[in-house]
Amino acid sequence: DTGVSQDPRHKITKRGQNVTFRCDPISEHNRLYWYRQTLGQGPEFLTYFQNEAQLEKSRLLSDRFSAERPKGSFSTLEIQRTEQGDSAMYLCASSLDLREGNEQFFGPGTRLTVL
Amino acid sequence: LAKTTQPISMDSYEGQEVNITCSHNNIATNDYITWYQQFPSQGPRFIIQGYKTKVTNEVASLFIPADRKSSTLSLPRVSLSDTAVYYCLVGGNSGNTPLVFGKGTRLSVIA
Repeated sequence: DTGVSQDPRHKITKRGQNVTFRCDPISEHNRLYWYRQTLGQGPEFLTYFQNEAQLEKSRLLSDRFSAERPKGSFSTLEIQRTEQGDSAMYLCASSLDLREGNEQFFGPGTRLTVL
Repeated sequence: LAKTTQPISMDSYEGQEVNITCSHNNIATNDYITWYQQFPSQGPRFIIQGYKTKVTNEVASLFIPADRKSSTLSLPRVSLSDTAVYYCLVGGNSGNTPLVFGKGTRLSVIA
C-alpha cells in the first residue's frame, strides 16, 4: 500500500496523559499536513510541513500540541496533558508541491478518545 | 479565505444525476474551487478542482459560472457507494496550501 498511513488507528487515554501519533506520507511527497475533525464537522487545519520545516501553525494548536518531521519523511503529533476536548479524529495528509499539483492525499486518521 | 455555503444534506435515488451547489460570494481572483468526498471513518478524498468554466474527470463534473460566485458539482448516475459527505473548498491550489473545510453536504443515495 503506497498511500498515507497513520498509527495507531485508535487511541483511548485518560485525561492528563500524553499521546503521540505517527503519520507516514506518500514517499515522494514533500508537504505533510495535520488536521483535526470532530463529529459532524469538517476537518480543521492544525499545522503543515515542507520537508522538515514547519511552515504554519493554526491558532488551534495550543502549547500542549507539538508536531515534528525530523527527517522530512514521517511526522509525529504529540498532545501533552490531554483534555476531554481533545477527543477527535486526527488526520494526516500529504502532497507533492508542484505548481500544477492539486490534491492532498489523506490517511485513515487516528481516533482519539480522552476519558 | 472565502467562506462557502452548501446544503447540509441531500437525498437521491440510485441512477440519478446529483448536483450539489456551493456559494462563495467572496471568492478571490486567485482562488481555486475544490471538492472533496469523505466516507465515514476515512479521510477526505479529492474529487475535482477548477478555476473557471467546466472541468470534467472520470468521477464528476464541476461547473463554474463566469462570475465564479458559485459552483456546482455534478455526479452522474449515483450509486449507493456515493453516499458520503461532499465538501466544497475555496482557496489556494489544493495541493500545496492548507485546506479550509466547511460542514459539507451529506448525500444519501437510496436504492
